[in-house]
Amino acid sequence: AQSVTQLGSHVSVSEGALVLLRCNYSSSVPPYLFWYVQYPNQGLQLLLKYTSAATLVKGINGFEAEFKKSETSFHLTKPSAHMSDAAEYFCAVSDPNTGNQFYFGTGTSLTVIP
Amino acid sequence: NAGVMQNPRHLVRRRGQEARLRCSPMKGHSHVYWYRQLPEEGLKFMVYLQKENIIDESGMPKERFSAEFPKEGPSILRIQQVVRGDSAAYFCASSQSAGQSYNEQFFGPGTRLTVL
Repeated sequence: AQSVTQLGSHVSVSEGALVLLRCNYSSSVPPYLFWYVQYPNQGLQLLLKYTSAATLVKGINGFEAEFKKSETSFHLTKPSAHMSDAAEYFCAVSDPNTGNQFYFGTGTSLTVIP
Repeated sequence: NAGVMQNPRHLVRRRGQEARLRCSPMKGHSHVYWYRQLPEEGLKFMVYLQKENIIDESGMPKERFSAEFPKEGPSILRIQQVVRGDSAAYFCASSQSAGQSYNEQFFGPGTRLTVL
């Protein structure tokens, strides 16, 4: 079974500071992993995905994430926060063997302080 | 290239009424997924459909909920006899290929259902 845990439902950072959003997964097989961003009253937009290629994945808007199998983690980072990064961020996992269902974490709300 | 479209964006129903949510996938996509997002929670998978077929409905409540994706027209998520607990945001996503879970799912803007 697949599951995702996002530690910290709310994260606040100052503008220009490092952004670190945590995601740990549980999977019986090597998973595929995704980070999505959701702006208020909008749908989810894909930031980046890991599909068993390079463990360090670069996404849009300066975000990146590193797949660490030993830690079962896929944390999302950005070196310098921008006001426009304020949003809800979701980590998701899928099992390559069982189909197309995505399992989402409960989300982390990012606030950027000017 | 239009993205995934959902309508209505907001839907208000009284208890006992029916709610009908529509989703048009991206052009060229034949796989549709429905998710429900309850307040302060992540998205929960409900159902996965291809044209005229339900592939996986393991996340659908056994009663009152149904989904279809006809040969022509949008996918429909139907909730009969709505209750207050059905109040949530319902998101539709679509993808291009079959049986490849790494394929990105493109999400629509969602339908926010409020049951009075």
